[in-house]
Amino acid sequence: KAGVTQTPRYLIKTRGQQVTLSCSPISGHRSVSWYQQTPGQGLQFLFEYFSETQRNKGNFPGRFSGRQFSNSRSEMNVSTLELGDSALYLCASSLVPDKTDTQYFGPGTRLTVL
Amino acid sequence: DAKTTQPNSMESNEEEPVHLPCNHSTISGTDYIHWYRQLPSQGPEYVIHGLTSNVNNRMASLAIAEDRKSSTLILHRATLRDAAVYYCILRDNMEYGNKLVFGAGTILRVKS
Repeated sequence: KAGVTQTPRYLIKTRGQQVTLSCSPISGHRSVSWYQQTPGQGLQFLFEYFSETQRNKGNFPGRFSGRQFSNSRSEMNVSTLELGDSALYLCASSLVPDKTDTQYFGPGTRLTVL
Repeated sequence: DAKTTQPNSMESNEEEPVHLPCNHSTISGTDYIHWYRQLPSQGPEYVIHGLTSNVNNRMASLAIAEDRKSSTLILHRATLRDAAVYYCILRDNMEYGNKLVFGAGTILRVKS
């Protein structure tokens, strides 16, 4: 079974631009979560989607948004990029949003904002 | 979100057991204890989880204190591939969703 895939793997943008990152969950998984990882703040939860609806949101500004499609694939968008948005963005999938359900992470997208 | 405390780093010799501690003194009765690890240049991966009883799987064992205020992840024979950041995470069973709250974790170094 293929794992969680994220595209692109690397991205370079300039301040003020916007970016869209994509995540394909493991086949059959319907819950997708996004995380941001930086050296200073560590791993932080961005949001979670299930059945095309955002179910949970972390403490990030409105510039960060996402969506989920009917095939469970998810995208996240960051508008008006700032230097501090440079980070590794990780996507995780699970069967359903259950506390005991294992989350499977993708390799991440490394975003650099210049 | 319930908080966990882990040592910043630990070192082990290859082929020896490793005990990674985690303190969670404010744990509630509905919190599950989860462990994830992140190998270099990879996303985190699930290791093990438990509620009250000790748990074993092919990767590791989880020993949970009787009062549940601490737990220990046990790698029975460390290999170089086990060098990673290990995260101890509490997940509230009463709270909706899949959100994981990561702390700083423990950096495990394995010497050959």
